[in-house]
Amino acid sequence: AQSVAQPEDQVNVAEGNPLTVKCTYSVSGNPYLFWYVQYPNRGLQFLLKYITGDNLVKGSYGFEAEFNKSQTSFHLKKPSALVSDSALYFCAVRDSEGSSNTGKLIFGQGTTLQVKP
Amino acid sequence: EAQVTQNPRYLITVTGKKLTVTCSQNMNHEYMSWYRQDPGLGLRQIYYSMNVEVTDKGDVPEGYKVSRKEKRNFPLILESPSPNQTSLYFCASYLRASGYTFGSGTRLTVV
Repeated sequence: AQSVAQPEDQVNVAEGNPLTVKCTYSVSGNPYLFWYVQYPNRGLQFLLKYITGDNLVKGSYGFEAEFNKSQTSFHLKKPSALVSDSALYFCAVRDSEGSSNTGKLIFGQGTTLQVKP
Repeated sequence: EAQVTQNPRYLITVTGKKLTVTCSQNMNHEYMSWYRQDPGLGLRQIYYSMNVEVTDKGDVPEGYKVSRKEKRNFPLILESPSPNQTSLYFCASYLRASGYTFGSGTRLTVV
């Protein structure tokens, strides 16, 4: 079965420091991986995705993520955190093409990022 | 503007009182789905629809119904809401070429 794990409920980082939000996945075929961010009382905003190609994916707001096939990971990173980056972050993987539910996104449980001044 | 519109944004209701959360998309996407978001559980799929008149259960369908009579609309129906359906609900549409578009969410409280 496909699954996504975000091992940290919360990540705390000081403003200006680099941040990493971890994500590991399990899929039977080639993974299509996504990161979304949710600010308080807001909907889901797309940050970036990996479909194929370069393992380092650049996205919105200065975020990037590195796809590591051998470690089945897709960690979200940013070189210098901002207080405004504080939010809830979700990693997601798309169900395999062989499934009848080919549009299904499987989400991790979410990681709250707190950036302190 | 391409978007998925959910209504209402906030809803407080009582146990057993039927309610409908509407979802509409203007992108002509065939695939639409509903998710619920709960703390520590992420988003879980409730129902999905591959096209008009084609719907199927997701991972947590109990207590919910959906319909897809036309491509743009995909309402979520709670025939007899219970407190364990208190949650944040998201509608989404999907097209392989353009990806996913999520609605702004509906925060439902059942008392």
